[in-house]
Amino acid sequence: ETGVTQTPRHLVMGMTNKKSLKCEQHLGHNAMYWYKQSAKKPLELMFVYSLEERVENNSVPSRFSPECPNSSHLFLHLHTLQPEDSALYLCASSPLWGTGTGELFFGEGSRLTVL
Amino acid sequence: AQSVAQPEDQVNVAEGNPLTVKCTYSVSGNPYLFWYVQYPNRGLQFLLKYITGDNLVKGSYGFEAEFNKSQTSFHLKKPSALVSDSALYFCAVKGHDMRFGAGTRLTVKP
Repeated sequence: ETGVTQTPRHLVMGMTNKKSLKCEQHLGHNAMYWYKQSAKKPLELMFVYSLEERVENNSVPSRFSPECPNSSHLFLHLHTLQPEDSALYLCASSPLWGTGTGELFFGEGSRLTVL
Repeated sequence: AQSVAQPEDQVNVAEGNPLTVKCTYSVSGNPYLFWYVQYPNRGLQFLLKYITGDNLVKGSYGFEAEFNKSQTSFHLKKPSALVSDSALYFCAVKGHDMRFGAGTRLTVKP
């Protein structure tokens, strides 16, 4: 058990669908992250939340919409996606954002396929 | 800006042989460097980190990494590879956020 749980593990959606990815951490951390993992590319940091406030948005298209209702939960709302958005979406948490030398704790990812 | 590079997409070694997975870094200030491993259909797992102190860092599963300031490198090593070590390995550097390299696929053959 990693302490970070992601659902669903697999998702197939059409370009006109609306779906959401969910992440929950049981570690008492204050920072949560969404990363996108595509084949043969570095992990792309998408969003960062610290104490439930968004602190980074790395030029992510508006068809991806994050939500952090509390420090334990993080969502990624998806709408009108493109086939190139197909990837593994990883959620992570850490005790603090910014300062500190702690490692990230990752969930097992949600594999998204856009048809 | 903080960044890391992994010059090899793929590393192949025979079981029982030593392995090295390479990483170089570019940072301003003191580097905080990490290695993670990803097994198929899983998330990333933390292996080890260098913050300060001894240049040889020991981590999980018998892995270690050597910090070399003059060569700006942080190579991951293991004295004797196992087939079960086959996975995707990521080097990372932490500034405000964790920034990852593109990954190196390690294959250990029996």
